[in-house]
Amino acid sequence: AQKVTQAQTEISVVEKEDVTLDCVYETRDTTYYLFWYKQPPSGELVFLIRRNSFDEQNEISGRYSWNFQKSTSSFNFTITASQVVDSAVYFCALRSAGGTSYGKLTFGQGTILTVHP
Amino acid sequence: DVKVTQSSRYLVKRTGEKVFLECVQDMDHENMFWYRQDPGLGLRLIYFSYDVKMKEKGDIPEGYSVSREKKERFSLILESASTNQTSMYLCASSLPPPGMGTEAFFGQGTRLTVV
Repeated sequence: AQKVTQAQTEISVVEKEDVTLDCVYETRDTTYYLFWYKQPPSGELVFLIRRNSFDEQNEISGRYSWNFQKSTSSFNFTITASQVVDSAVYFCALRSAGGTSYGKLTFGQGTILTVHP
Repeated sequence: DVKVTQSSRYLVKRTGEKVFLECVQDMDHENMFWYRQDPGLGLRLIYFSYDVKMKEKGDIPEGYSVSREKKERFSLILESASTNQTSMYLCASSLPPPGMGTEAFFGQGTRLTVV
């Protein structure tokens, strides 16, 4: 069975603060993919990043950065100098690429991020 | 531009009705998914399909069935709608793993209310 846990239900910050969203996952598979999605108030999920289990390089894209640590089964997401437009629900997800859960895509509970001006 | 289209944005149905939620994708993706989204519970997988006529139960399949007769279309069926099936339903499609393009693309969602 695979599982994704986002322990932070809601986070509230003031504009320009840095914020980190935590994601911890469980899987028995050796090959898998991790994702982050953003769901703005309009409702449609927007893909942000994909990481495969063999690639532990951290990634930075503008104000966004991701830290993948296989040793702790974590894939955390940091927004630097947050802006009001970053207010959304953020989901972490895990996709199996082998084993009995092949192809299954499992999401965490989501973290509601509110950035105040 | 990639597209996953759900047939309705809002639906109101009566308890006991048979309900069909339709989803169409234009990306020639083999894999398609149905989720429901409820506050505090995230997205929970109802069913997914590897390919035409192939389906796999997700984490909460009870009370639902699916149909995939054509590659581009994946239908979710509520056999006898109940009030606890009031929710936001999200359809998604993707290429199968491994490799690039394993991320899922989502439709705009259908908010279903069962009264």
